[in-house]
Amino acid sequence: DGGITQSPKYLFRKEGQNVTLSCEQNLNHDAMYWYRQDPGQGLRLIYYSQIVNDFQKGDIAEGYSVSREKKESFPLTVTSAQKNPTAFYLCASSMGGMRQGVHEQYFGPGTRLTVT
Amino acid sequence: KNEVEQSPQNLTAQEGEFITINCSYSVGISALHWLQQHPGGGIVSLFMLSSGKKKHGRLIATINIQEKHSSLHITASHPRDSAVYICAAYNTDKLIFGTGTRLQVFP
Repeated sequence: DGGITQSPKYLFRKEGQNVTLSCEQNLNHDAMYWYRQDPGQGLRLIYYSQIVNDFQKGDIAEGYSVSREKKESFPLTVTSAQKNPTAFYLCASSMGGMRQGVHEQYFGPGTRLTVT
Repeated sequence: KNEVEQSPQNLTAQEGEFITINCSYSVGISALHWLQQHPGGGIVSLFMLSSGKKKHGRLIATINIQEKHSSLHITASHPRDSAVYICAAYNTDKLIFGTGTRLQVFP
């Protein structure tokens, strides 16, 4: 079955530690995205990538880093510089990037990160 | 004021009722996306539309570009429709998300 997987579903870390969230897709999509969801707020874009080895900052990139070494994978690292890392993180992918026209985005199941 | 506003924020219904969720936006868009988020957190795409109306099973989505407004209707609602419904507007090179409408359908 084609889809997007994120692991783990729940993640707990101590403050000051970096943590990497996994996102893999087998939809052969070019574009991938990372969003953050907080209670009472809409999803906010952290980073996105339209092709391998290229990515751009979204609206709230500070304290996060990404890589896109393979088309299928777009891991997100939450660094110790992120002031409020506790949130629900969603990965998405689409056939083309946003600048290439409108493409439906498909979402993964999400990772809930708690930092104490 | 958010660029994408949804109403109501919370909605409860009895099984079988007709449901309407509204989405208004203040920016120019090329399309609008309706999404469903279940309690576990995963998000499923319901519709993407740029004009007119789309129907899938008991779900109907409409959009009025001139009025900058879209609606999601659920006919013959069922408890399994209980979820958060999110609209998202495609604006230039990004999606702008509403804060969601939490729907609970009781048997």
